[in-house]
Amino acid sequence: AQKVTQAQTEISVVEKEDVTLDCVYETRDTTYYLFWYKQPPSGELVFLIRRNSFDEQNEISGRYSWNFQKSTSSFNFTITASQVVDSAVYFCALSGDGGSNYKLTFGKGTLLTVNP
Amino acid sequence: DGGITQSPKYLFRKEGQNVTLSCEQNLNHDAMYWYRQDPGQGLRLIYYSQIVNDFQKGDIAEGYSVSREKKESFPLTVTSAQKNPTAFYLCASSMYSYSNQPQHFGDGTRLSIL
Repeated sequence: AQKVTQAQTEISVVEKEDVTLDCVYETRDTTYYLFWYKQPPSGELVFLIRRNSFDEQNEISGRYSWNFQKSTSSFNFTITASQVVDSAVYFCALSGDGGSNYKLTFGKGTLLTVNP
Repeated sequence: DGGITQSPKYLFRKEGQNVTLSCEQNLNHDAMYWYRQDPGQGLRLIYYSQIVNDFQKGDIAEGYSVSREKKESFPLTVTSAQKNPTAFYLCASSMYSYSNQPQHFGDGTRLSIL
């Protein structure tokens, strides 16, 4: 069975602080994919990044960066110099390569509040 | 612009009533999905469809029904058998239903009981 754990339920920071959102996953598949989504107050989930299990290179996109470590089954997300517009719920998700390869397993999300 | 349109944004259901949530996409995606989101919870899969005229149950299909008569449309009916329907419902689509495909989401429908 697949599982995604986002241990941080809520995080509150002040603008311009750096913040890291943790994601730990469990899967028996050798090939799998990890995703991060952002859910602003409007409700729509916005796709941020996809990572496959064979690519452990860290990725940076502007103020966003992702640290994928297979050894610790983690796929953490860092926002540098946070802004008020970053306030949202962030979900980490996992899909595998087995019989249920269609299925996205989501963590419970982390509510990030960036205060001015 | 390409995207997913869900309607209505807010919906109220009376006891014993069936209600239907609309989901339309113009992304030419083969696969479509319905999720339920409860406060403080992740998303749980209700139904998904890989191709027209075919759909499969997800983790929490009881009390729900779907149809896929057109590639663009995947409506969800919340039946009176669903005893706790109050939730936020999200529709998604992906190019095809393989694990490496990111899913794209609509704005959601918030369903409440009257």
